[in-house]
Amino acid sequence: SQTIHQWPATLVQPVGSPLSLECTVEGTSNPNLYWYRQAAGRGLQLLFYSVGIGQISSEVPQNLSASRPQDRQFILSSKKLLLSDSGFYLCAWATSGNTIYFGEGSWLTVV
Amino acid sequence: AQSVTQPDIHITVSEGASLELRCNYSYGATPYLFWYVQSPGQGLQLLLKYFSGDTLVQGIKGFEAEFKRSQSSFNLRKPSVHWSDAAEYFCAVGARGSGNTGKLIFGQGTTLQVKP
Repeated sequence: SQTIHQWPATLVQPVGSPLSLECTVEGTSNPNLYWYRQAAGRGLQLLFYSVGIGQISSEVPQNLSASRPQDRQFILSSKKLLLSDSGFYLCAWATSGNTIYFGEGSWLTVV
Repeated sequence: AQSVTQPDIHITVSEGASLELRCNYSYGATPYLFWYVQSPGQGLQLLLKYFSGDTLVQGIKGFEAEFKRSQSSFNLRKPSVHWSDAAEYFCAVGARGSGNTGKLIFGQGTTLQVKP
């Protein structure tokens, strides 16, 4: 069966520091991969999606970037974090079945 | 503009009582429809989904939802709530077509509290 792993689970970073959140999927090949963010008290917002290695689409302008160096690996990065980057980040995957499945999420607090 | 509205930010029900969580959407065509549940500090778990066919769909944990095209609604129901159902519930819609897979629009969520 397919599983999705996301780490770290919790992160506290100072303003201006870099960020790297990693997500890997097991049990499937060539999935679509996604990064969503859930800000406090708000719904989920799609940040990036990828349909293949090296293919990244950004949905909203922001301080973050994403990369897909391998088929089942998706990385969310920032060179310099802002306070507004705080939130709950969720990696997700989908196949052609049009259903997406989420990881356990990563809590990021920028201080 | 495409949007999803969950009118109830917070709902409290007694254990054993019935539950209905509302979801209305604004979309150019009939979208795919989903309900997810999120326990505190956890990721989202898919409860159920509607793609086509029977407008009453059954999900996990005893939940069901009914798609009503005329009302642009996809309300989530459960006949008897358990204390373990306390969580946040999200309605989401997605466009049809392989190029849109996973690009969901979420509602703001409804927090369910269950009284003993």
